[in-house]
Amino acid sequence: EIVLTQSPDTLSLSPGERATLSCRASQNINYRFLAWYQQKLGQAPRLLIYGASNRATGIPDRFSGSGSGTDFTLTISRLEPEDFAVYYCQQYSSSIIYTFGQGTNLEIK
Amino acid sequence: QVQLQESGPGLVKPSQTLSLTCSVSGASISSTTYFWNWFRQHPGKGLEWIGYTNYNGAANNNPSLRSRIDISLDTSKNDFSLELRSVTAADTAVYFCARAPRDASGFGYFDYWGQGSLVTVSS
Repeated sequence: EIVLTQSPDTLSLSPGERATLSCRASQNINYRFLAWYQQKLGQAPRLLIYGASNRATGIPDRFSGSGSGTDFTLTISRLEPEDFAVYYCQQYSSSIIYTFGQGTNLEIK
Repeated sequence: QVQLQESGPGLVKPSQTLSLTCSVSGASISSTTYFWNWFRQHPGKGLEWIGYTNYNGAANNNPSLRSRIDISLDTSKNDFSLELRSVTAADTAVYFCARAPRDASGFGYFDYWGQGSLVTVSS
């Protein structure tokens, strides 16, 4: 099983600032099969990024993904009030089991 | 617009079977382009993938749950279902359904989700 470890657990920033979220895998992620999701309290996850760097339909261009191998990053270039939420990375490199990171809570400072 | 909606009992007794249905609109579950998935999220915790199936009969389940789960499609109703047998309090969670599209590189990310259904296991 590929274990994903996200850092930091909590990130406190102000609107307008840049957010950098990290996701590290215990094994190589083939073909950059990594996705990022945003989840707000009481809601379903929302797909932001797939294939490590492809924005999903309707996702603003302030969200970007990068990385390969075992290290991946989600960057939010300029935080809007609606961006404060929990963010999860997810790998689909292993078809035996899809796994998620433990989440990063992006909170307003 | 694609929409998924979970339905089913909110309370299940220990040792019984948890049954949930995901109704799909705006997409056909008979399409071979999509895989239909179930997840759960324990209270205050992260996301756990349960398994998927698709119209071609492809299926895969989380090894930790494999012996207890069945996922099936009902093409006449355009929905799919989850059965989780022999439940315990540890199965109390919010259950989500979601779609995974197949693209040129493969599949395994989830583009549309239901809003979630809380299931409590208690006597």
